[in-house]
Amino acid sequence: AQKVTQAQTEISVVEKEDVTLDCVYETRDTTYYLFWYKQPPSGELVFLIRRNSFDEQNEISGRYSWNFQKSTSSFNFTITASQVVDSAVYFCALELGGANNLFFGTGTRLTVIP
Amino acid sequence: GAVVSQHPSRVICKSGTSVKIECRSLDFQATTMFWYRQFPKKSLMLMATSNEGSKATYEQGVEKDKFLINHASLTLSTLTVTSAHPEDSSFYICSARAGLGWGYTFGSGTRLTVV
Repeated sequence: AQKVTQAQTEISVVEKEDVTLDCVYETRDTTYYLFWYKQPPSGELVFLIRRNSFDEQNEISGRYSWNFQKSTSSFNFTITASQVVDSAVYFCALELGGANNLFFGTGTRLTVIP
Repeated sequence: GAVVSQHPSRVICKSGTSVKIECRSLDFQATTMFWYRQFPKKSLMLMATSNEGSKATYEQGVEKDKFLINHASLTLSTLTVTSAHPEDSSFYICSARAGLGWGYTFGSGTRLTVV
């Protein structure tokens, strides 16, 4: 069975601190995709990244970076120099190869304190 | 980029009435649309998956007669909450994708309050 675990329910950091959001996934499939979405207070889900299971390269996009480690089945998300606008709920999600749906984690609520 | 428009963003209705929520893909053809429900401070729960021109596939525990989903065109899917009750109050969000291998684009969600 597939599963996505985001053990951190809520995190608070002071502005400009770095923060890492953890995501651990479970699947027996060898082909899969991992996603991160941001849900600000307004409610919409904003796509951040999609990574396939064959690409373990870490990725950096501005203040965002992702660390994908198949050995630990983790796909962690780091925000450097956090800002108040980063306050949101962040969801990690898994899609199995050839499937047509996403399995969401329970989300991590990040609060950045000015 | 791909855009999905969802309306209304908020709706309040009386118990026993029906409410329709629309989900439109504005700049792509969505072969598949998804409907999720999200309780406060909880994750997204997939309610159903609909392919254009076909009947929706509902997840276990979701009442198909209560949550009517129509996906009559490649750009529009609707969710109708029939005979709504206060326990149906929730945040409903749709998602659309052009096909397998494509990304998922989410609407902005609809907050339904049944009084």
